[in-house]
Amino acid sequence: DIQMTQSPSSLSASVGDRVTITCRPSQSISTYLNWYQQNPGKAPKLLIYAVSSLQSGVPSRFSGSGSVTDFTLTISSLQPEDFATYYCQQSYSTLYSFGQGTKLEIK
Amino acid sequence: QVTLRESGPALVKPTQTLTLTCTFSGFSLSTTGMCVNWVRQPPGKAPEWLALIDWDDDKYYITSLKTRLHISKDSSKNQVVLTMTNMDPVDTATYYCARTTIVGATNYGMDVWGQGTTVTVSS
Repeated sequence: DIQMTQSPSSLSASVGDRVTITCRPSQSISTYLNWYQQNPGKAPKLLIYAVSSLQSGVPSRFSGSGSVTDFTLTISSLQPEDFATYYCQQSYSTLYSFGQGTKLEIK
Repeated sequence: QVTLRESGPALVKPTQTLTLTCTFSGFSLSTTGMCVNWVRQPPGKAPEWLALIDWDDDKYYITSLKTRLHISKDSSKNQVVLTMTNMDPVDTATYYCARTTIVGATNYGMDVWGQGTTVTVSS
């Protein structure tokens, strides 16, 4: 199965900051990369699919980029509601897999 | 409006078989491109994808648990059932079902999730 490695595992930032989270799969996954946001006690929420396509209703401050084995999620200007845990997930192999998560905390 | 809801026991004993049901509405699992996943999340850990069933009744399982899992669908009832045998305390987690849509070469991710059901494995 494809292993997904995220970095950093945690990140402290302030409202208004620009932050970037990285995801690296153990093999090429073309553009089959999705990003999720999860708040405590809630189900994950899809933010971005196919590397850079914004899910309906997701604010434009979220963006995704990358290909093959190097992907990033960028939040251009952090808002209070963005402090959560973020996960990448590959859908290249039908045996899907998630990264271990990046917890975004308020500085 | 697409919704999914998980149901099943909150507590199971070690070695027992867990049966979870995902009841969905707003889409048909008979429609080309529709898939339902099961994902679990142990307390404080990342989500772990477990299984997927698609519109064509193709089934996929995480390699590490393949021998313990079985997924099935009843399109007439809009339900997907996951069974997991030989439950162990390490299987304690919140279990979610989530929809995936595939159109051509585009996978639209797990766009709608259920609220999750918490399963504790303890004697």
